[in-house]
Amino acid sequence: GAVVSQHPSRVICKSGTSVKIECRSLDFQATTMFWYRQFPKQSLMLMATSNEGSKATYEQGVEKDKFLINHASLTLSTLTVTSAHPEDSSFYICSARDNYMNTEAFFGQGTRLTVV
Amino acid sequence: RKEVEQDPGPFNVPEGATVAFNCTYSNSASQSFFWYRQDCRKEPKLLMSVYSSGNEDGRFTAQLNRASQYISLLIRDSKLSDSATYLCVVTSAPGGSYIPTFGRGTSLIVHP
Repeated sequence: GAVVSQHPSRVICKSGTSVKIECRSLDFQATTMFWYRQFPKQSLMLMATSNEGSKATYEQGVEKDKFLINHASLTLSTLTVTSAHPEDSSFYICSARDNYMNTEAFFGQGTRLTVV
Repeated sequence: RKEVEQDPGPFNVPEGATVAFNCTYSNSASQSFFWYRQDCRKEPKLLMSVYSSGNEDGRFTAQLNRASQYISLLIRDSKLSDSATYLCVVTSAPGGSYIPTFGRGTSLIVHP
């Protein structure tokens, strides 16, 4: 099956610093990338959707200036959490889909971010 | 009303039991439906797609009821390894884009 690689799997950073999370599709073209966040015992909440070469569309309540998404190529999207605070500590997961192939989205391994 | 709703459980069942989960969705224009499985602190993985005609994969059976706007997952002969959270995923296409929406998940615990 299709593979999505997400790095890093775990990161601890100091409050006020920025963290970049990478999501790569290894064997298909990720025309659309989804970024989700999951707090403990909560559902996966969509943060933003990005199409290759376009600006990301953010869900209501998600600050676009804080969560910077870049999707410049068909195989790579990045999420940068800027000026991270402890309340940003969460499990972030990317999901990628090739719009022209099928209706399934494949997930990265997830990134556990802890801001101290 | 949430777009996708699931009973969070947990469902606590003995090995060998049959267990069923339901998931309701609010958008009648929803197009595709899936069940994912998520183990603790891991990424969700596709368990099976849900078709209008229903589908079966070994011990797992998924069904879709468009009239009542729900999907179901039936697990027969439960194994210890089935313990996980089962996520219902519904996709809609506002304006032509594909957006997967997740339910909160139903926790299943299979005990000896």
